[in-house]
Amino acid sequence: GQQVQQSPASLVLQEGENAELQCNFSTSLNSMQWFYQRPGGSLVSLFYNPSGTKHSGRLTSTTVIKERRSSLHISSSQTTDSGTYLCALGTNAYKVIFGKGTHLHVLP
Amino acid sequence: EAAVTQSPRNKVAVTGGKVTLSCNQTNNHNNMYWYRQDTGHGLRLIHYSYGAGSTEKGDIPDGYKASRPSQENFSLILELATPSQTSVYFCASRQIISNERLFFGHGTKLSVL
Repeated sequence: GQQVQQSPASLVLQEGENAELQCNFSTSLNSMQWFYQRPGGSLVSLFYNPSGTKHSGRLTSTTVIKERRSSLHISSSQTTDSGTYLCALGTNAYKVIFGKGTHLHVLP
Repeated sequence: EAAVTQSPRNKVAVTGGKVTLSCNQTNNHNNMYWYRQDTGHGLRLIHYSYGAGSTEKGDIPDGYKASRPSQENFSLILELATPSQTSVYFCASRQIISNERLFFGHGTKLSVL
């Protein structure tokens, strides 16, 4: 089965609403990173967060190793937040695997 | 900020032809990776390397070879390209000792006709 699962697969919000994106993993964690990608674009690193909680502006990432999950919270969403959010799990010192992503669409 | 440069940015190849995608990083990172990204599949790991001279198979290595001749360079080679290899390819690097974030290149869009 898939080692990294993201949910929801897609999400539509009205501007100003909050979003909670989940990344669940079934294997041991060595590292956890969240990325943002516009259609046809490159990957922009949002957080490197192997454990605990980190904040950056309207974004918050929380990783709980014991529960094998990481989350990305977006507060007061904006239309410019639209795109795909990907989590990347480092399973050992070398290998890094991705979830399939959450496609977010924020309506004006 | 770590720099990862991929070339070419776009490539059109014919079925059965040989394609080489190049990746260069200037930050002395140990690990380098090649992924492909397709709708419905996300990013899938093709090959990775943990230093010059090493290459390791990822999750979907069939039809691809990799070469790591130096710390800075990591190539992905399609000896006999097929239309199913049409995709966007991303290279990434990572330092496992001090800072384990992945840094990505801008991607190579490959079309095999």
